[in-house]
Amino acid sequence: GAGVSQSPRYKVAKRGQDVALRCDPISGHVSLFWYQQALGQGPEFLTYFQNEAQLDKSGLPSDRFFAERPEGSVSTLKIQRTQQEDSAVYLCASTRYGTGYEYEQYFGPGTRLTVT
Amino acid sequence: DAKTTQPNSMESNEEEPVHLPCNHSTISGTDYIHWYRQLPSQGPEYVIHGLTSNVNNRMASLAIAEDRKSSTLILHRATLRDAAVYYCILRVRMEYGNKLVFGAGTILRVKS
Repeated sequence: GAGVSQSPRYKVAKRGQDVALRCDPISGHVSLFWYQQALGQGPEFLTYFQNEAQLDKSGLPSDRFFAERPEGSVSTLKIQRTQQEDSAVYLCASTRYGTGYEYEQYFGPGTRLTVT
Repeated sequence: DAKTTQPNSMESNEEEPVHLPCNHSTISGTDYIHWYRQLPSQGPEYVIHGLTSNVNNRMASLAIAEDRKSSTLILHRATLRDAAVYYCILRVRMEYGNKLVFGAGTILRVKS
């Protein structure tokens, strides 16, 4: 079946521009996670949704970062007034349930954001 | 956040076993140990997980020390397709569910 998809795969933004990154989780998956992966580093947790509820946004680095999942399926990560330090790969992952018992997160291919 | 320590890189010959070590001395009693791997230009993919006992699946084996402060991922016969970054991760229990805390990972190179 279809996996997690993300779009665009690559995004170049000029410093100060706003960007929106989209994640389509596996159909029916309750939980959705966003991660930020800097070059040469492991992914870092940004935020977590259970259906449409954002239950954890402790990893969002600043108030320029905003995520939403209004209908409990597709999610958008928005970055306002992009800075060079925002350059990274943004990964989305989903899991079937929201109970915490599932052990496998399914990751998308990521969106590589370059801020010039 | 709970942390793991892994070697930056390792090298293996094709068709030979590979043992990837991980230290997690601050692990708590409810933290599961997970391994994911990330091939170039792809998102991470799940490999295996465990709590206390050793685990085997079609991809790999996971050996967990008795005190749970370290673990080893074992690839029984490395292939060129196993070349990837391998992450040893602690799955931390939160109120809402689970959170994966990634480290920097080990780059595995496989020589033919």
